[in-house]
Amino acid sequence: NAGVMQNPRHLVRRRGQEARLRCSPMKGHSHVYWYRQLPEEGLKFMVYLQKENIIDESGMPKERFSAEFPKEGPSILRIQQVVRGDSAAYFCASSPGTENTGELFFGEGSRLTVL
Amino acid sequence: SQKIEQNSEALNIQEGKTATLTCNYTNYSPAYLQWYRQDPGRGPVFLLLIRENEKEKRKERLKVTFDTTLKQSLFHITASQPADSATYLCALLNQAGTALIFGKGTTLSVSS
Repeated sequence: NAGVMQNPRHLVRRRGQEARLRCSPMKGHSHVYWYRQLPEEGLKFMVYLQKENIIDESGMPKERFSAEFPKEGPSILRIQQVVRGDSAAYFCASSPGTENTGELFFGEGSRLTVL
Repeated sequence: SQKIEQNSEALNIQEGKTATLTCNYTNYSPAYLQWYRQDPGRGPVFLLLIRENEKEKRKERLKVTFDTTLKQSLFHITASQPADSATYLCALLNQAGTALIFGKGTTLSVSS
């Protein structure tokens, strides 16, 4: 059973470009979470999605950031017009359940560098 | 607002000793608390979950306590080994019940 798959693992963008990060949850998992981790800082919650629905996007910056989890295919975190401050590791996690009472399964992260 | 604090950014101990990591929280009453391990360049890995009605939980060399009065969890690794060197994160469900909120972590270094 493959774990949470994130790609690309490393992404370099110039200021003003777009970054698209993809996440395939574990098989059978319908809940996806995105977190951002800056150097020397903790994991910061960004958004929680279920299939075709955004449940909680309270941690997502209001501008330039968007996320989706379509009926078919991976979840996508999209950052438009990237700035240097967007450089970070972005982690996706999934969980199976109908209740938020269990562990999260994390991917290995996508590391975004903005030049 | 909800706050999670892991008191020590770094903890250095000798092999064979017990490592004790602290997680304090304020301004909410979580139903459970989780601990994760994160190695450099990797994603966090779940270790243990303890519920508010459980005082203590064990898994092999790991022990977690949860004191809802003190609003504190302690994470112990007994007979520590160099392979235990990593960053340990505590996490609590947010008040909305929608996502885990993580502390900044404590980086443990076990020297032989």
